Amino acid sequence: DAGITQSPRHKVTETGTPVTLRCHQTENHRYMYWYRQDPGHGLRLIHYSYGVKDTDKGEVSDGYSVSRSKTEDFLLTLESATSSQTSVYFCAISLGTGGTEAFFGQGTRLTVV
Amino acid sequence: AQTVTQSQPEMSVQEAETVTLSCTYDTSESDYYLFWYKQPPSRQMILVIRQEAYKQQNATENRFSVNFQKAAKSFSLKISDSQLGDAAMYFCAYRKSIQGAQKLVFGQGTRLTINP
Repeated sequence: DAGITQSPRHKVTETGTPVTLRCHQTENHRYMYWYRQDPGHGLRLIHYSYGVKDTDKGEVSDGYSVSRSKTEDFLLTLESATSSQTSVYFCAISLGTGGTEAFFGQGTRLTVV
Repeated sequence: AQTVTQSQPEMSVQEAETVTLSCTYDTSESDYYLFWYKQPPSRQMILVIRQEAYKQQNATENRFSVNFQKAAKSFSLKISDSQLGDAAMYFCAYRKSIQGAQKLVFGQGTRLTINP
């Protein structure tokens, strides 16, 4: 299994509170991603990183920010959580060349009440 | 924008039989990759098979094979000799660029049930 650790694995938070999810990799892959999974939508890309301090928006980036201060860590922050951000969040990593596989973490189930 | 459509929310098949999951996509690109991912109840995303658009030959991985029809923008997954462990959500995914970031666009998923 690819060395990807997401923390926490489960979280319940209140509307309006800030939340940070962490993704840690031990593979030294250049690219890291955050996706969210919702019923009927599959997985959708929130943000991704192509290097330390280099990030870009994905398909559903509103309400989210990210940071990558080290190669191995990619943080996803919900500045003020809303009920619409209740979802399962997946981190993924990839080398980025050709058709190389994207490896996924185990996911974080976030519930905003 | 690229889109991926899986028109079968649920499928079921008898153990040991063959099942085909459908996927269509929309793109104006000529070079891209297509993937099928499996998500069992553990929630782990597992790559099942990949197809490079420039290759005419359909990809095969053991009991899993694809029917890639580039002109029709169709990418179906065939599972032969279905096993109980094949029960999962299956996602079709498209990757636009052949270099750089793996920005995947996923379909809605098909839940596959295997009947013993």
